Amino acid sequence: KAGVTQTPRYLIKTRGQQVTLSCSPISGHRSVSWYQQTPGQGLQFLFEYFSETQRNKGNFPGRFSGRQFSNSRSEMNVSTLELGDSALYLCASSFATGFAGELFFGEGSRLTVL
Amino acid sequence: AQSVTQPDIHITVSEGASLELRCNYSYGATPYLFWYVQSPGQGLQLLLKYFSGDTLVQGIKGFEAEFKRSQSSFNLRKPSVHWSDAAEYFCAGRENRGGSNYKLTFGKGTLLTVNP
Repeated sequence: KAGVTQTPRYLIKTRGQQVTLSCSPISGHRSVSWYQQTPGQGLQFLFEYFSETQRNKGNFPGRFSGRQFSNSRSEMNVSTLELGDSALYLCASSFATGFAGELFFGEGSRLTVL
Repeated sequence: AQSVTQPDIHITVSEGASLELRCNYSYGATPYLFWYVQSPGQGLQLLLKYFSGDTLVQGIKGFEAEFKRSQSSFNLRKPSVHWSDAAEYFCAGRENRGGSNYKLTFGKGTLLTVNP
């Protein structure tokens, strides 16, 4: 079956703009998590959605937000972009919430902020 | 605070040599532990996981890991490395409790280079 699909794969934005990233989980998976990956900070947890509800949230400012639709697809939005938001944003899906099961990762959306 | 530490940022081994990647954790109780691998330009793939029971865990691609409570470690091993194993490896942990409010914490990763 198809894996986790993230779009777009690459994008360039300028400071102050906003961006929306999309994630389609594996069919049947209802949990979607988002991570930010940077060389300096590594992988940092953003948030997790399960059945359209945010279940967990990391330590990121309110500029970072997300949502999940009834078909389990998820979007994350970053408003008022800063240079430090340049990163690889990874989405992961799993059947259940709470990381009790295996996470399946997409290939990521690489965001560059100029 | 809960944390996962990978002491080695970069390791270089020769093809055919054995490999051990270190991971230490700091949790109040024994956590769930995972090893993931990330190839260039790719997402992360789960190699193996430890929840409880047998402390030697077998994974995919010939990898294994050993949980040692006394050393708070969960080191990843492979007896003979192949050039295709060159990638970045991440150790991760989460609290071993029921419920859903427990995030997965990743180490900073170890970059593995394989020399021919």
